[in-house]
Amino acid sequence: DAGVIQSPRHEVTEMGQEVTLRCKPISGHNSLFWYRQTMMRGLELLIYFNNNVPIDDSGMPEDRFSAKMPNASFSTLKIQPSEPRDSAVYFCASSRPGGAYGYTFGSGTRLTVV
Amino acid sequence: GIQVEQSPPDLILQEGANSTLRCNFSDSVNNLQWFHQNPWGQLINLFYIPSGTKQNGRLSATTVATERYSLLYISSSQTTDSGVYFCAAYTGANSKLTFGKGITLSVRP
Repeated sequence: DAGVIQSPRHEVTEMGQEVTLRCKPISGHNSLFWYRQTMMRGLELLIYFNNNVPIDDSGMPEDRFSAKMPNASFSTLKIQPSEPRDSAVYFCASSRPGGAYGYTFGSGTRLTVV
Repeated sequence: GIQVEQSPPDLILQEGANSTLRCNFSDSVNNLQWFHQNPWGQLINLFYIPSGTKQNGRLSATTVATERYSLLYISSSQTTDSGVYFCAAYTGANSKLTFGKGITLSVRP
């Protein structure tokens, strides 16, 4: 079990550029979550998917953010255009149906927008 | 949604000491987890414990679901235990895992 895999680990980009973060959930997990961590707001849920379908995107900050899950083994979080206030650590997590046995988090992507 | 509160917010220990970290939640839960965020930022799952007691080496956790709290015990603390400890909970199959603000633990040699 390779765990939840995120890429890249670090991303530095200029304001206005498009940023794409990637996540591969654990095989057999049907729920996938994107979280953002900042000093000010802590860990906050952005969006989650069940069986590749977005269930709740109420945490997505604004239209600049979008997320997709084209299949059970891949998800992307895109920011276009990026802004300095988007700088944060973005985590992806996955779980079995109903959250059984808990959520497993990836190592995160540290995004810096300059 | 569910509210998750952790206490104390900060804790400083001498190596070898024991400690208890507390998590209170505002509603009945289907899932309660404790995580350790290490100095490299990784979120390590410590326990999945919606009820009862579990132990893993020097760490143990107890959740009393009827009274809506969970406790994480660290015995014989080591400097590698330093970091932030998060409690997180959710109330149903399609609801989000909500995190507390975390407890920052510093273990000094």
